[in-house]
Amino acid sequence: AQSVAQPEDQVNVAEGNPLTVKCTYSVSGNPYLFWYVQYPNRGLQFLLKYITGDNLVKGSYGFEAEFNKSQTSFHLKKPSALVSDSALYFCAVRGRSGNTGKLIFGQGTTLQVKP
Amino acid sequence: TAGITQAPTSQILAAGRSMTLRCTQDMRHNAMYWYRQDLGLGLRLIHYSNTAGTTGKGEVPDGYSVSRANTDDFPLTLASAVPSQTSVYFCASSPGGAIYNEQFFGPGTRLTVL
Repeated sequence: AQSVAQPEDQVNVAEGNPLTVKCTYSVSGNPYLFWYVQYPNRGLQFLLKYITGDNLVKGSYGFEAEFNKSQTSFHLKKPSALVSDSALYFCAVRGRSGNTGKLIFGQGTTLQVKP
Repeated sequence: TAGITQAPTSQILAAGRSMTLRCTQDMRHNAMYWYRQDLGLGLRLIHYSNTAGTTGKGEVPDGYSVSRANTDDFPLTLASAVPSQTSVYFCASSPGGAIYNEQFFGPGTRLTVL
């Protein structure tokens, strides 16, 4: 069965410091991987995705993520955090077989960036 | 463009009552989805539709039904609400075709069943 794990409920960083939000996955075969962000009382917004090719994916708002097949991970990173990055972040995975559109989401990680 | 709209924004519903959550998209996306978001559980897929006229069950379909009469609308119905259906409900859509397309989410409906 497909699954996604975000091992940290909350990540705290100081503004200007690098941030990492962790994600590991379990899926048969090669996955499609996604990161979404949710601001308070809003829907999810797409940040970036990995399809194939370069393991380092760049997305919106200066975020990037690194696909590591051997560690089955897709950690979200940003070199310099902003207070406005504070939000709830979701990792999601989708297997390459079938076309049902079923994204499996992690439980979410709250990012707090303090001034 | 508006993208995806959901109505109502929030609702308090008595147990046993029925309710339909509305979702409309103006992006002409083929695929649409309903998720519920619960603290500590992330988002779980309730039902989906790959194209108008077709629907499928997701991870937690019990107690919910959907229809897809046209491309734009994808209503979610609770026939007889129970307190465990208290949640935030998100509708989403994607262009379809390629399964790696990202999904676009509506603002959500906060439902409380008492």
